[in-house]
Amino acid sequence: AQSVAQPEDQVNVAEGNPLTVKCTYSVSGNPYLFWYVQYPNRGLQFLLKYITGDNLVKGSYGFEAEFNKSQTSFHLKKPSALVSDSALYFCAVRAPGGRNFNKFYFGSGTKLNVKP
Amino acid sequence: DADVTQTPRNRITKTGKRIMLECSQTKGHDRMYWYRQDPGLGLRLIYYSFDVKDINKGEISDGYSVSRQAQAKFSLSLESAIPNQTALYFCATSDLARDTDTQYFGPGTRLTVL
Repeated sequence: AQSVAQPEDQVNVAEGNPLTVKCTYSVSGNPYLFWYVQYPNRGLQFLLKYITGDNLVKGSYGFEAEFNKSQTSFHLKKPSALVSDSALYFCAVRAPGGRNFNKFYFGSGTKLNVKP
Repeated sequence: DADVTQTPRNRITKTGKRIMLECSQTKGHDRMYWYRQDPGLGLRLIYYSFDVKDINKGEISDGYSVSRQAQAKFSLSLESAIPNQTALYFCATSDLARDTDTQYFGPGTRLTVL
């Protein structure tokens, strides 16, 4: 079955420290992988995506993510966290399929708390 | 994302009422989606549309209907609202050819059914 797992409901990190938000997936074929961020009372904002190529993907606001095919993971990282990074983060995966729709599978979300 | 707008932003209604949530986009995307978000469950797909004449059910379409009035407009209706439809509803758009189907979301509509 296709699925996305975010094993941590919440991640706490001190400002200035590196952060990691974990995501693992189960999907047939070569997946497209996405990270979105949701600030309070806002919609989801696109952060970055992996389609093909270099396993390390750089995105908005200094975030990056590493695709690991053998571990079926796509963890979100940032070298130095900011208080303003505090938000809800969603991982999503889409199985590629040309013009045919392939469902986006969203994780349940991880709340990131960055403390001053 | 200002390119995708939703109205209303908040709505309180009573059980049994019919309500409509509207979504408009200026991104020129052909694909549009409706999701609902519940705490701890992530996003679940209600309906999706690849173009004006192509509308498909998602995983939780029961109790909902949609209308794609134009490429830029996609409305979600609750025929007879019930309390377990209380949730945050998001519209999203995407374009397969130009942007590998990356989805862009509206700000959401918070719906409360009493």
